[in-house]
Amino acid sequence: EPEVTQTPSHQVTQMGQEVILRCVPISNHLYFYWYRQILGQKVEFLVSFYNNEISEKSEIFDDQFSVERPDGSNFTLKIRSTKLEDSAMYFCASEGTGGAGTQYFGPGTRLLVL
Amino acid sequence: SQQGEEDPQALSIQEGENATMNCSYKTSINNLQWYRQNSGRGLVHLILIRSNEREKHSGRLRVTLDTSKKSSSLLITASRAADTASYFCAMRPTNFGNEKLTFGTGTRLTIIP
Repeated sequence: EPEVTQTPSHQVTQMGQEVILRCVPISNHLYFYWYRQILGQKVEFLVSFYNNEISEKSEIFDDQFSVERPDGSNFTLKIRSTKLEDSAMYFCASEGTGGAGTQYFGPGTRLLVL
Repeated sequence: SQQGEEDPQALSIQEGENATMNCSYKTSINNLQWYRQNSGRGLVHLILIRSNEREKHSGRLRVTLDTSKKSSSLLITASRAADTASYFCAMRPTNFGNEKLTFGTGTRLTIIP
């Protein structure tokens, strides 16, 4: 069964460093998402991406964040200058049909900012 | 209450018993989805119920949706130790162009062998 994959599974970085989190969505899907979950808290929406552009973003997704689909398979989330409060589990999700379908989540990247 | 609150926050039952978790929400939805998360792991999709559906089954799972009360419930029958996990409801709004899921606070389910 197709699945969303994410790399790395864990990343430790120093405050102020840039990190890139990578995702490979399910191959025929058209909608892509990033969510995050701070330890012990709710899963929060960050950004959605369709047709090579951001379709929606939350207030969390400030200028320090960016997303890109550099080729036909990868979907990346970049944090330019990490802060301690960026420590969280980051989930990528993809969906085949927008607005009404199932979002399939990857296993997540646990980011720890020191 | 906030969009997507679940109760109970935690539930412990004996293996073989049924587990019921509830989710309430505030705004209109297109659909509501339930996910499972094992400790520190990814989100596994369980079931999607659309706003025009009232009940849906998948194996040992039964989901109901009452749009007049803005609530949903997830029933797991004949629970197993492997069902131990956190369960989240996630709401999909009705307005076009707004595809994000809004997650509930989750119910931590423990099945006692």
